[in-house]
Amino acid sequence: DGGITQSPKYLFRKEGQNVTLSCEQNLNHDAMYWYRQDPGQGLRLIYYSQIVNDFQKGDIAEGYSVSREKKESFPLTVTSAQKNPTAFYLCASSITSGSLNEQYFGPGTRLTVT
Amino acid sequence: KNQVEQSPQSLIILEGKNCTLQCNYTVSPFSNLRWYKQDTGRGPVSLTIMTFSENTKSNGRYTATLDADTKQSSLHITASQLSDSASYICVVSAGREYGNKLVFGAGTILRVKS
Repeated sequence: DGGITQSPKYLFRKEGQNVTLSCEQNLNHDAMYWYRQDPGQGLRLIYYSQIVNDFQKGDIAEGYSVSREKKESFPLTVTSAQKNPTAFYLCASSITSGSLNEQYFGPGTRLTVT
Repeated sequence: KNQVEQSPQSLIILEGKNCTLQCNYTVSPFSNLRWYKQDTGRGPVSLTIMTFSENTKSNGRYTATLDADTKQSSLHITASQLSDSASYICVVSAGREYGNKLVFGAGTILRVKS
């Protein structure tokens, strides 16, 4: 999976609890991304970061938060404010956020909230 | 609205046969189009990326075509193998004016059977 690790692979939480998904890359990439994948839908961008200590909201940022304190790490917190948190979450990185730069994806974390 | 539509939704073929997957998009302005392969429960892996001026690109048994005038792309798989069973995702980049945002199709699920 191109030097990007996500943990854990499966995560179960009770409704009302916050949960943090890990994403680490050793590719020395500046840009990192979080996507959400639901059955029958295309990937949707949650947050992205073009450089350390900077990040921007994507299309569906409500109920999520991120941090980018280190170049290698971009953790995603799913808060209790997210109405439908159960989904497959994918982290990706690219050299920069330029349009032709390939995004390399991690193996994903499947979150189930009951 | 920027959209990427893929067809068919799913496809079953016999090992050794060829198949073609379709992608129509309305994303504008257009920067580039990518095809990704996603195995079940894994992150997507890039197959090809084509810019406006390219109308065909190959990667082994995978050949992608692009008609930027009609906003259509296809992915042709030759001599299919069981390992080709996966979801194939068409992705269009909207260009720098839109932050190089990627718009993802929902994917075509391909099953190759022996």
